[in-house]
Amino acid sequence: DSGVTQTPKHLITATGQRVTLRCSPRSGDLSVYWYQQSLDQGLQFLIHYYNGEERAKGNILERFSAQQFPDLHSELNLSSLELGDSALYFCASSVLSGGGEQFFGPGTRLTVL
Amino acid sequence: KNEVEQSPQNLTAQEGEFITINCSYSVGISALHWLQQHPGGGIVSLFMLSSGKKKHGRLIATINIQEKHSSLHITASHPRDSAVYICAVRRLRYGGSQGNLIFGKGTKLSVKP
Repeated sequence: DSGVTQTPKHLITATGQRVTLRCSPRSGDLSVYWYQQSLDQGLQFLIHYYNGEERAKGNILERFSAQQFPDLHSELNLSSLELGDSALYFCASSVLSGGGEQFFGPGTRLTVL
Repeated sequence: KNEVEQSPQNLTAQEGEFITINCSYSVGISALHWLQQHPGGGIVSLFMLSSGKKKHGRLIATINIQEKHSSLHITASHPRDSAVYICAVRRLRYGGSQGNLIFGKGTKLSVKP
């Protein structure tokens, strides 16, 4: 158990819908990273928050947004869902902003029908 | 061309064999990570390296910064080692290290009894 929690574990929804994925980092970790894992693209970085502030953006679509709250949990919002958004979404946490080991949550499997 | 390349893509071994998985990268890095992903999907961090060699149980990871190459070795392999092994790097940027990881496509290892 990494200490990082993600909810829900599975999510099945329809095209055009909006969903929210939630991540709680390990106690004491200030950084939260969101990654997407799809069969064709592998693992890709989406967005990084550190202590409530956005630090970096990767290949994140405009339909996707995220935020980190004062209690350091983070939410990833996916809207106008398409079939191609079906993937595993992981969050990872670390103590530092630019280094250190990352601890991964169990992931949320999103299926868009 | 991918910034992180792994080989082989797939590897089948007999129990007890010595296994090597290779990772090459084309960018300047501050650290390299080896991750393990089991069939259930969860990702576990095995090693974080910036130089030299690290050992944990039957796993050994090495890195050659000059050659931009890392290897993960598994001694006395066991069926429970069957998983996908993913190499990831943290890129070195002007002003410091970026936080997010860039991933290889993974090596799927199957160890037969």
